[in-house]
Amino acid sequence: ETTVTQSPASLSMAIGEKVTIRCITSTDIDDDMNWYQQKPGEPPKLLISEGNTLRPGVPSRFSSSGYGTDFVFTIENMLSEDVADYYCLQSDNLPLTFGSGTKLEIK
Amino acid sequence: EVQLVESGGGLVQPKGSLKLSCAASGFTFNTYAMNWVRQAPGKGLEWVARIRSKSNNYATYYADSVKDRFTISRDDSQSMLYLQMNNLKTEDTAMYYCVRRLGLDYWGQGTTLTVSS
Repeated sequence: ETTVTQSPASLSMAIGEKVTIRCITSTDIDDDMNWYQQKPGEPPKLLISEGNTLRPGVPSRFSSSGYGTDFVFTIENMLSEDVADYYCLQSDNLPLTFGSGTKLEIK
Repeated sequence: EVQLVESGGGLVQPKGSLKLSCAASGFTFNTYAMNWVRQAPGKGLEWVARIRSKSNNYATYYADSVKDRFTISRDDSQSMLYLQMNNLKTEDTAMYYCVRRLGLDYWGQGTTLTVSS
């Protein structure tokens, strides 16, 4: 089983700042990392899929990078609407495993 | 538009059973693998089960935490996904989401299961 270690657990950022979240996997997963945003009372929304691919309709201020075992998710110029929980997911092998989540708040 | 609508959640006593359903529309259901993912109250996300398409022999896979208790199935003629849950435990209490494909691209709104005496 691939373990996904996500950090930090929480972030408090000012509007306009750059947000960085990291996920490290215990096995090499190529670029099979996905990133989700979840707002209270809603299901997770896929923002970035395997191969660091931005999903249609997702603002370009969201991006990701990484290959192998080290992955980074970035929000350039944070907006108030970005307040949410963020999760990474490895889809290279079963069982699918998620990071523990990052709670993003406004400073 | 892809839509996934879960139903069947509720309150069940420990060791009880329940069957969740998911109605899919807006895509060619029979060509996609489907999953169940759950989220305990205030906690993170946990993948539960996956079923592949007919072309992949409807192969099924389970998280260790639910193996031998849960059964995922599908009815392609009705575009329906199911999760039969037996011998339920309090730790199965969660929101259960129906999710499309290996990369978990589209999610339903979820249905809530509470296991409590």
